Amino acid sequence: SYELTQPPSVSVSPGQTASITCSGDKLGDKYACWYQQKPGQSPVVVIYQDSKRPSGIPERFSGSNSGNTATLTISGTQAMDEADYYCQAWDSSYWLFGGGTKLTVL
Amino acid sequence: EVQLVESGGGLVQPGGSLRLSCAASGFTFSDHYMDWVRQAPGKGLEWVGRTRNKANSYTTEYAASVKGRFTISRDDSKNSLYLQMNSLKAEDTAVYYCASSLYASGPFDSWGQGTLVTVSS
Repeated sequence: SYELTQPPSVSVSPGQTASITCSGDKLGDKYACWYQQKPGQSPVVVIYQDSKRPSGIPERFSGSNSGNTATLTISGTQAMDEADYYCQAWDSSYWLFGGGTKLTVL
Repeated sequence: EVQLVESGGGLVQPGGSLRLSCAASGFTFSDHYMDWVRQAPGKGLEWVGRTRNKANSYTTEYAASVKGRFTISRDDSKNSLYLQMNSLKAEDTAVYYCASSLYASGPFDSWGQGTLVTVSS
């Protein structure tokens, strides 16, 4: 069965660039989305169709998807970006989520 | 303002049944694909299933883990989404979210606040 693999955790210093990867077989052939989830809150989409930002999402969030890897990049990371991030893709007839990455800003 | 409000969660014994509801407002419900996503305590997101919109004949898809036990339905006249859960197992314990998408390829642009289902004796 198809799987999406994310690193369990990523750490970044404030103001630096954070990159979170999502790996899956030929993931670049599918659309990838990214969701941010803060403790006790529902997920919020931050990137869709690989690289598009919904209105209201800061420009520091960007995405790419090629080959077997989709990447969420947060430039100039702020303390408020500390959260869990999940990638998502559609395979055949079902949605898949990655296992999630805890982003720590320290 | 777009709103999705889930209800119906609670404590149920293994083997029991529960029906969740999701009330939608602030958007054209009938145009949207609607999904259920769950999150076990301290764990990641798991897609449960989807119902497509009227234009796509309200067809449904399910995750392998719930197929044959869970049924998704919708009532566009009431702007409501439902999840009928039968033969519940301890591993079904989770917060259940409903989510909406305007496009088949996503994203889930709105989410509810979630409702907790606990399966335990």
